[in-house]
Amino acid sequence: NAGVTQTPKFQVLKTGQSMTLQCAQDMNHEYMSWYRQDPGMGLRLIHYSVGAGITDQGEVPNGYNVSRSTTEDFPLRLLSAAPSQTSVYFCASRSPGSTGNTIYFGEGSWLTVV
Amino acid sequence: AQSVTQPDIHITVSEGASLELRCNYSYGATPYLFWYVQSPGQGLQLLLKYFSGDTLVQGIKGFEAEFKRSQSSFNLRKPSVHWSDAAEYFCAVGAIEGTASKLTFGTGTRLQVTL
Repeated sequence: NAGVTQTPKFQVLKTGQSMTLQCAQDMNHEYMSWYRQDPGMGLRLIHYSVGAGITDQGEVPNGYNVSRSTTEDFPLRLLSAAPSQTSVYFCASRSPGSTGNTIYFGEGSWLTVV
Repeated sequence: AQSVTQPDIHITVSEGASLELRCNYSYGATPYLFWYVQSPGQGLQLLLKYFSGDTLVQGIKGFEAEFKRSQSSFNLRKPSVHWSDAAEYFCAVGAIEGTASKLTFGTGTRLQVTL
């Protein structure tokens, strides 16, 4: 998981609160994405970005916002947290190119909404 | 749409026994295939990946996987399991070019190793 840093690692929110999960990578990767992991569901793509200023929705985008003002950072915002957003969130990045194509994951952020 | 099926939710093997974790995928083009491992409370670690070429792929920790296009499968194998291999394993298929990083994951297989 070298190079992708997520904060916070653990967070408890009350329903209706807002918060931002931070993701930063120091590998100059253009592609970054956010996944959520739920029991029995595997990982599902929330939002992704192919470069600074460019974002797009994934499979489960509702309730989440993202922005990509720099190459390094890709924050995920919960505007009004709901219990259904209790999950483990993973940020990932990779560099485009024909070799390697390894996707690097952060260590995860455990979020509980009560 | 791409999809991944891991038919085994939970597998238990004895230490030293061989292991095979199944993965079937659905994808419209040549797939990029991955196996990840996740230990409890940890993030995802890439075990191996297949993009093209030799259909038998070697990974870390003694794991290998074989891509079989005719069966749409990418099963993970290890000849002799160690207790430290107990974890959850995820198969993933994805488009790497263009919109990259759009991996579709299976629901995972939890591996338990008995001594």
